[in-house]
Amino acid sequence: KNQVEQSPQSLIILEGKNCTLQCNYTVSPFSNLRWYKQDTGRGPVSLTIMTFSENTKSNGRYTATLDADTKQSSLHITASQLSDSASYICVVSAWQYSGGGADGLTFGKGTHLIIQP
Amino acid sequence: DAGITQSPRHKVTETGTPVTLRCHQTENHRYMYWYRQDPGHGLRLIHYSYGVKDTDKGEVSDGYSVSRSKTEDFLLTLESATSSQTSVYFCAISALLETEAFFGQGTRLTVV
Repeated sequence: KNQVEQSPQSLIILEGKNCTLQCNYTVSPFSNLRWYKQDTGRGPVSLTIMTFSENTKSNGRYTATLDADTKQSSLHITASQLSDSASYICVVSAWQYSGGGADGLTFGKGTHLIIQP
Repeated sequence: DAGITQSPRHKVTETGTPVTLRCHQTENHRYMYWYRQDPGHGLRLIHYSYGVKDTDKGEVSDGYSVSRSKTEDFLLTLESATSSQTSVYFCAISALLETEAFFGQGTRLTVV
């Protein structure tokens, strides 16, 4: 069964500090990996999407890495800001063969990040 | 929110009543999805659509039905709401299955 495990479940850091969130997956056949940010009371918003051939991708202060061999990804946040307080969700997409089943997306449960002033 | 509107944003309903949630997009994306989000679970797919009148079931489809009569609208219906369907429901859209999905702001549904 395809699975996505995220760690830690929750994290509290001081404003201005860096942090790294982890995502391990067992999804096959792998298509891409996505990181989403979800603010409280809002829908998830895409941060990055990486395919098999990409091992690093940045979006401002967010940098995602992907190791397809070990099936691990990380999201590094640099110089955290209060607005970074949110849940961060790792989503892994499996290639869908003909028939196009949309259940190829496997969602992690998220890491709840709190930035304290 | 990438041209996605969910309505209503909040709803309280009684057990046994029918409920319809609406998702409207202005992006002309082919794929539309309904997810539910509950504490302790990741987002779970209820139903999705890959074109007008083309829909399929997801992981947690029991008790739900959907319809898509126009590209821009995707309706989720709870035929007879139960307390276990209390949740936050998200609509999402994507151009292709493998491309980025954009989410709406969610509908908080409470069944009492």
